[in-house]
Amino acid sequence: SQQGEEDPQALSIQEGENATMNCSYKTSINNLQWYRQNSGRGLVHLILIRSNEREKHSGRLRVTLDTSKKSSSLLITASRAADTASYFCATDEGKLVFGQGTRLTINP
Amino acid sequence: KAGVTQTPRYLIKTRGQQVTLSCSPISGHRSVSWYQQTPGQGLQFLFEYFSETQRNKGNFPGRFSGRQFSNSRSEMNVSTLELGDSALYLCASSLGGFASLANEKLFFGSGTQLSVL
Repeated sequence: SQQGEEDPQALSIQEGENATMNCSYKTSINNLQWYRQNSGRGLVHLILIRSNEREKHSGRLRVTLDTSKKSSSLLITASRAADTASYFCATDEGKLVFGQGTRLTINP
Repeated sequence: KAGVTQTPRYLIKTRGQQVTLSCSPISGHRSVSWYQQTPGQGLQFLFEYFSETQRNKGNFPGRFSGRQFSNSRSEMNVSTLELGDSALYLCASSLGGFASLANEKLFFGSGTQLSVL
């Protein structure tokens, strides 16, 4: 079963704009992670946020977590062409469960 | 420090054959987990190993199996291949936490792209 569901499935923006991706999940979680995947490659860890945290920053990345709404968002500010990738959230449900991902395209 | 190494990078097999994929974790990492990625089902957890013991298993048939050696290297085996087994198989390592609990950063290899004809 897929715990995390990303929205939108695909997003295309201009370089320099901000990109926001959302993840919703169904059951209570302890931790939520975000990963990036370039086409056909392995995943790269971006951020881990725990259930008692509301917001976390890492460089141009900002992640929020709303446990009451069972949702998280990933904001990438001042996007660059190199940010073009698929982004996945992952939650703990007895096993690590990934969402279907958001395909982000940054147009020059 | 070398990253997670998966071999081979590409593999083509025919239905009914079996296949073994290999994963060498980052030096010092004792936990290895495996994932299957397909366009239709996305990323799905296969199994997780720590100190040669399987700690958790996903919802896959018994044709999928794995093991971990004393040096933390891991292999997964798929017997009696089916067309639907065509996928990117990813391996990830971590220091020792439970990958299942999402409480530790996972380091992924580049994957093995398996095509079953």
